[in-house]
Amino acid sequence: QQKVQQSPESLSVPEGGMASLNCTSSDRNFQYFWWYRQHSGEGPKALMSIFSDGDKKEGRFTAHLNKASLHVSLHIRDSQPSDSALYFCAASDGGNYKPTFGKGTSLVVHP
Amino acid sequence: AQTIHQWPVAEIKAVGSPLSLGCTIKGKSSPNLYWYWQATGGTLQQLFYSITVGQVESVVQLNLSASRPKDDQFILSTEKLLLSHSGFYLCAWRGQGRDTQYFGPGTRLLVL
Repeated sequence: QQKVQQSPESLSVPEGGMASLNCTSSDRNFQYFWWYRQHSGEGPKALMSIFSDGDKKEGRFTAHLNKASLHVSLHIRDSQPSDSALYFCAASDGGNYKPTFGKGTSLVVHP
Repeated sequence: AQTIHQWPVAEIKAVGSPLSLGCTIKGKSSPNLYWYWQATGGTLQQLFYSITVGQVESVVQLNLSASRPKDDQFILSTEKLLLSHSGFYLCAWRGQGRDTQYFGPGTRLLVL
């Protein structure tokens, strides 16, 4: 079973709208989460990490972590066409911290 | 600041031919290093990781091998390429503890 599940698989939002991506871990040991963004033809780039319950905001991006349910979400407000990309969630435990990646969510922001 | 460089940028190779891809990390001592494979628009499949020079762990068998000859260098290779080896190869590094993992720009491989 995939230890890190992402939903939806794909998402289309209008320019200026809010995009919401979800990630859940099935492993109770996975307490540390990261979000990555990958534009076509490039390597993934780290957007943000979140390790504590609650919200973490960086510019237009807000991550929310609920450790009890092992669920983390990423919200992108005022979405831009340049936000169109593949978004990966990664999680790790407090042992070796080696990250496990989800299958990704493809986001398209249309004008 | 740390930098990660991958070479070559792209390769077109024949089935059965050998392959060597490289990755160098500058500005970071004793990084944890990773190789990933990605089909177009697909998931990140972890192939190998290394926590120190000379030590490489295999995560999945794809008729590939990896070596870490220096602290800042990670090599991915095979003696005989298969069609299924086509894809995007990504090298990544991470520090210790809860450090974020950082990816290189990738190498695009097409096997014909």
